[in-house]
Amino acid sequence: DAGVTQSPTHLIKTRGQQVTLRCSPKSGHDTVSWYQQALGQGPQFIFQYYEEEERQRGNFPDRFSGHQFPNYSSELNVNALLLGDSALYLCASSWGVENYGYTFGSGTRLTVV
Amino acid sequence: EDQVTQSPEALRLQEGESSSLNCSYTVSGLRGLFWYRQDPGKGPEFLFTLYSAGEEKEKERLKATLTKKESFLHITAPKPEDSATYLCAVQAKSQNFVFGPGTRLSVLP
Repeated sequence: DAGVTQSPTHLIKTRGQQVTLRCSPKSGHDTVSWYQQALGQGPQFIFQYYEEEERQRGNFPDRFSGHQFPNYSSELNVNALLLGDSALYLCASSWGVENYGYTFGSGTRLTVV
Repeated sequence: EDQVTQSPEALRLQEGESSSLNCSYTVSGLRGLFWYRQDPGKGPEFLFTLYSAGEEKEKERLKATLTKKESFLHITAPKPEDSATYLCAVQAKSQNFVFGPGTRLSVLP
């Protein structure tokens, strides 16, 4: 049973560029949440998708946007990249709005130069 | 505002030297308190969920406890393979998770 898979594992981008990160949830899960984890800090909640809609959002600017597809997979898009966007981006999947079985992927390491 | 703090920031133990990690929280409507282990460059790995004050959970050398304001992760006779960052998170009424900054544990042989 595949867990949460994220791609790519590593990415290097230039300031001002745009990036798209992808997440496939664990089998049986229908909810996807995205987190940003800066070096040495805990994960910070970006947003959550359920039934293809953004249900909750953390304190992140509109440069961060997302999408959920009918197969429950999800994308995180970041526009106009800043050096401060360099971080490990984590996807977590769960079942239902009450987030049963919360499971994290291994993350995408984004470096902005 | 929901908030989680963890102490100490870093901890170095000798193999076999037991200790405890602290997680203090303020949250509106606690639905659960979670402990995760995170190895460098990897995603958090689930350890425990605690739901109410007085609850305890154990797994191998780890034991988690919960009060109304804080949680402790007790590590008994740790081994070098227990070295990792331990994250505490609360699930609030909003259903989403608020994480603490973590405690970096190093266990020396």
